[in-house]
Amino acid sequence: KAGVTQTPRYLIKTRGQQVTLSCSPISGHRSVSWYQQTPGQGLQFLFEYFSETQRNKGNFPGRFSGRQFSNSRSEMNVSTLELGDSALYLCASSPQGEDTEAFFGQGTRLTVV
Amino acid sequence: GIQVEQSPPDLILQEGANSTLRCNFSDSVNNLQWFHQNPWGQLINLFYIPSGTKQNGRLSATTVATERYSLLYISSSQTTDSGVYFCAVPNQAGTALIFGKGTTLSVSS
Repeated sequence: KAGVTQTPRYLIKTRGQQVTLSCSPISGHRSVSWYQQTPGQGLQFLFEYFSETQRNKGNFPGRFSGRQFSNSRSEMNVSTLELGDSALYLCASSPQGEDTEAFFGQGTRLTVV
Repeated sequence: GIQVEQSPPDLILQEGANSTLRCNFSDSVNNLQWFHQNPWGQLINLFYIPSGTKQNGRLSATTVATERYSLLYISSSQTTDSGVYFCAVPNQAGTALIFGKGTTLSVSS
């Protein structure tokens, strides 16, 4: 069974640009969640989607958004990039989301210059 | 919200030594996960352990839900065990994981 796939693996963007990251969950998993990891703040929850609906959102500005498609694949978008958005973005999938085991992708490392 | 604390923050071992990593959480939870972050950043699942004890090779984990802590044991450590170990618990709705700050383990030969 294929794992969680995130693309691209690495990305360099300029301040002010926008970026879209993609996550394909494990087959059969309907919940996808996103996390940001930085040296200063650790791993922080961004948002969670289940059956194309956002069920939960973390404490991030509106520049961070996401969506989920009918095949459970998810994208997250960051607009008007800031230097502080440089981070490792991790996607996790789980069968139902609530209290079920989560599995993570390899991450997308975003650098904003 | 739920707070998760991990200790120690850093651990340096010689190959072959044993270690215990601790994870405390501030409220009752329905499950707990332990992860190992590899050098490329991926979080590798070690244990999904709401309560009780589980073992997988040289690793084992125990969660005492009533006392709000979990322990990860690594026996006969190897250099490949180096990296950051995280524990995570679900938030109230169960739709997000709350992570500790991690324990950085360095195993030297």
